[in-house]
Amino acid sequence: AQSVTQPDARVTVSQGASLQLRCKYSYSGTPYLFWYVQYPRQGLQLLLKYYSGDPVVQGVNGFEAEFSKSNSSFHPRKASVHWSDSAVYFCAVSEGMGYKLTFGTGTSLLVDP
Amino acid sequence: EAAVTQSPRNKVAVTGGKVTLSCNQTNNHNNMYWYRQDTGHGLRLIHYSYGAGSTEKGDIPDGYKASRPSQENFSLILELATPSQTSVYFCASGDDINSDYTFGSGTRLLVI
Repeated sequence: AQSVTQPDARVTVSQGASLQLRCKYSYSGTPYLFWYVQYPRQGLQLLLKYYSGDPVVQGVNGFEAEFSKSNSSFHPRKASVHWSDSAVYFCAVSEGMGYKLTFGTGTSLLVDP
Repeated sequence: EAAVTQSPRNKVAVTGGKVTLSCNQTNNHNNMYWYRQDTGHGLRLIHYSYGAGSTEKGDIPDGYKASRPSQENFSLILELATPSQTSVYFCASGDDINSDYTFGSGTRLLVI
């Protein structure tokens, strides 16, 4: 069975600072990895995804992430955060194209303006 | 524009009553999912479907049923609602070609 761990429930950073969120997955096969962002009282929006090719992927809003098979990780980073990045971020894993997603428990990001 | 639409947006139900949450997608995706979101748990899979006429149990199916009468529609049914089913419910569709997922805006259910 697949699983995802997000070790940080809350992260607070100052506006303009760099950011790295953390996600570790468990899956014996080739994982399909995703990061979603959820703004207050909204649905989930795709931030990043990876399933093959270059392990460094570019996402939206200036985010990028690097897939590491040896570390079972998919950590997104951003060079300079803005107060509008404040949201809840979810990591998710799937075993195939369009198959069911297994989510982590989420990381709530607060950017101090 | 392709979308996933959930109805109702908000619902108050009484304990023991029947609740039906509806989901419609215009993406022509084969796969559809129902999740619930609770603080500290993230999103947990209740039921899913890989095509019209079929449904599968997810990780937390107890107390829920699902129905997929067509490619576009996927319903979640609470036959006997309980306060523990108070939550935010999300429907999603999944593209088995591009691995894209589209989420609805959610349904806030309060069972009193």
